Amino acid sequence: GDSVTQMEGPVTLSEEAFLTINCTYTATGYPSLFWYVQYPGEGLQLLLKATKADDKGSNKGFEATYRKETTSFHLEKGSVQVSDSAVYFCALSEGYSTLTFGKGTMLLVSP
Amino acid sequence: DAGITQSPRHKVTETGTPVTLRCHQTENHRYMYWYRQDPGHGLRLIHYSYGVKDTDKGEVSDGYSVSRSKTEDFLLTLESATSSQTSVYFCATTPDEGGSPLHFGNGTRLTVT
Repeated sequence: GDSVTQMEGPVTLSEEAFLTINCTYTATGYPSLFWYVQYPGEGLQLLLKATKADDKGSNKGFEATYRKETTSFHLEKGSVQVSDSAVYFCALSEGYSTLTFGKGTMLLVSP
Repeated sequence: DAGITQSPRHKVTETGTPVTLRCHQTENHRYMYWYRQDPGHGLRLIHYSYGVKDTDKGEVSDGYSVSRSKTEDFLLTLESATSSQTSVYFCATTPDEGGSPLHFGNGTRLTVT
């Protein structure tokens, strides 16, 4: 079945550092890929998405590129802020199936 | 936000009692989902609905039932709560499948003592 593997956290960075959170997936077809973010005490919010190979999703300075050859969708940001501290979830949806989530990666950014 | 309200936001209950969590949406989305979130497990799908009175099981459905009598309401019932059902429960909606993002409520924290 479908699965998503994320790097374990927490990821601890200083403000303005470069961020990478790795995500790889297993799917039988051609899934859509997502990154969601969860701030403390809240539900998940869509951060960005990509629906086909080589697509780049971007939002709020975050980017991720759909790499079919490496089955990856790594999240990057050039300069993180304290306000980016949250839990980040990679997810996939294959055709008419429900979303499959990774286990989440906590990001902690210090001033 | 998609106008999703979960109630209650917090609940403490005793083992063996029935519990019902409610999800109410104002966006007229067709699909609704119940997830539970636990440390080390991420989000796991309990049940989902693809229309009024149309529901199906997710990967962790044992001990849970759902009902959807109106488009806007999706109820999750724990028939006889157990300590293993202590978790944070999230409702989510989407207008269609096939790659559409989910909109999430703010969750219900349930503690079973």
